[in-house]
Amino acid sequence: AIQLTQSPSSLSASVGDRVTITCRASQGISSALAWYQHKPGKAPKLLIFDASNLKSGVPSRFSGSGSGTDFTLTISSLQPEDFVTYYCQHFNSYPTFGQGTRLEIK
Amino acid sequence: QVQLVQSGAEVKTPGSSVKVSCKASGRFFISYAINWVRQAPGQGLEWMGGVIPILYTSNYAQRFQGRVTISTDESTSTAYMELSSLRSEDTAVYYCATTMTQKTWGAFDAWGQGTVVTVSS
Repeated sequence: AIQLTQSPSSLSASVGDRVTITCRASQGISSALAWYQHKPGKAPKLLIFDASNLKSGVPSRFSGSGSGTDFTLTISSLQPEDFVTYYCQHFNSYPTFGQGTRLEIK
Repeated sequence: QVQLVQSGAEVKTPGSSVKVSCKASGRFFISYAINWVRQAPGQGLEWMGGVIPILYTSNYAQRFQGRVTISTDESTSTAYMELSSLRSEDTAVYYCATTMTQKTWGAFDAWGQGTVVTVSS
């Protein structure tokens, strides 16, 4: 099974900062990668699909890039509501999630 | 706009089974994959399995093979996840989620609200 390794596992930043979260796949997965935002007590929310496509309605400060084995999620200017947990996911017939990155206020 | 509504919280004893439902509306149910994902306390998201009703295709994560069954009722646009031989480690929030593309596996663009399952003696 394909493994996804996210880094960092936690990140401290301030409102207005630009942050990048990385996700590395154990083997090439083309662009079959998604990013989710997960707030406590809520269902996860799809942000990015096919590695770099922004889901409709998601703020443009979120962006994704990469292909093959290395991917990134960038938040260009952090807002207070962005300090939650983010997951990457490889989607195929056996989906896998990364272990998550918790974004904390500095 | 697809909506997924799950059944309510469950409390189960070790060794028993639980069956969680997920009713879909707003989309042609059988064309899209339905997946089940769980999150145990303090842990990350974990995919359990999924099914594409129109293709009669289902897959399960290896660690749940033999213990989980995902089924669908097309007449009511409802999916079910049954987990057997419950143990305390199965205490978690269980989510159903559907993909954004028809007749294939893909990113999960709609999620149910989650069902809390507690396993305790």
